[in-house]
Amino acid sequence: DADVTQTPRNRITKTGKRIMLECSQTKGHDRMYWYRQDPGLGLRLIYYSFDVKDINKGEISDGYSVSRQAQAKFSLSLESAIPNQTALYFCATSEALTGGGETQYFGPGTRLLVL
Amino acid sequence: KNQVEQSPQSLIILEGKNCTLQCNYTVSPFSNLRWYKQDTGRGPVSLTIMTFSENTKSNGRYTATLDADTKQSSLHITASQLSDSASYICVVRGTSGTYKYIFGTGTRLKVLA
Repeated sequence: DADVTQTPRNRITKTGKRIMLECSQTKGHDRMYWYRQDPGLGLRLIYYSFDVKDINKGEISDGYSVSRQAQAKFSLSLESAIPNQTALYFCATSEALTGGGETQYFGPGTRLLVL
Repeated sequence: KNQVEQSPQSLIILEGKNCTLQCNYTVSPFSNLRWYKQDTGRGPVSLTIMTFSENTKSNGRYTATLDADTKQSSLHITASQLSDSASYICVVRGTSGTYKYIFGTGTRLKVLA
């Protein structure tokens, strides 16, 4: 079984709808992240969480919210989806290592289309 | 502004040939640089990580180099295989702040039989 899973894998929604993307991990990592990937751009960080009680905004958090329900679960919500949120979304996890040497493990991605 | 630029954007080579991908960065202060491989429809997977004190690191047929003085890194793929077809992403971590990763846009490699 995959260590980091994301559901759904594909989603089409309409402008103004609320949508939730879910991420689960079995790696036992404390740290979890949400990124989006757009053609021609590098991955950009939306939110990250270093433990269940810790939530931090990334560089592009506007229009998104997150919930860390447990160590293994981190959900991303779009409260009112808009077309420019059409993108590939990745969840990632990592251990907590000093010095920044931690490896991030990515899920398979969720392809979201907002009409 | 902290940036990571990769070249070329895309590359096509024949199976068995070697190739080199480039990464230039302006991230400062610098902690480490990592190369990821991203297969189509999959999440990125780490290939190598280097700190500023390391010049070369290998992972099988993948060899990464780092010149921290010129802020340049390269990923050399030897004897390419069809399975090497993927995007290769350079990621630089800065030392300031609790979290600071800058992702390049990637080089899309296609290996032809």
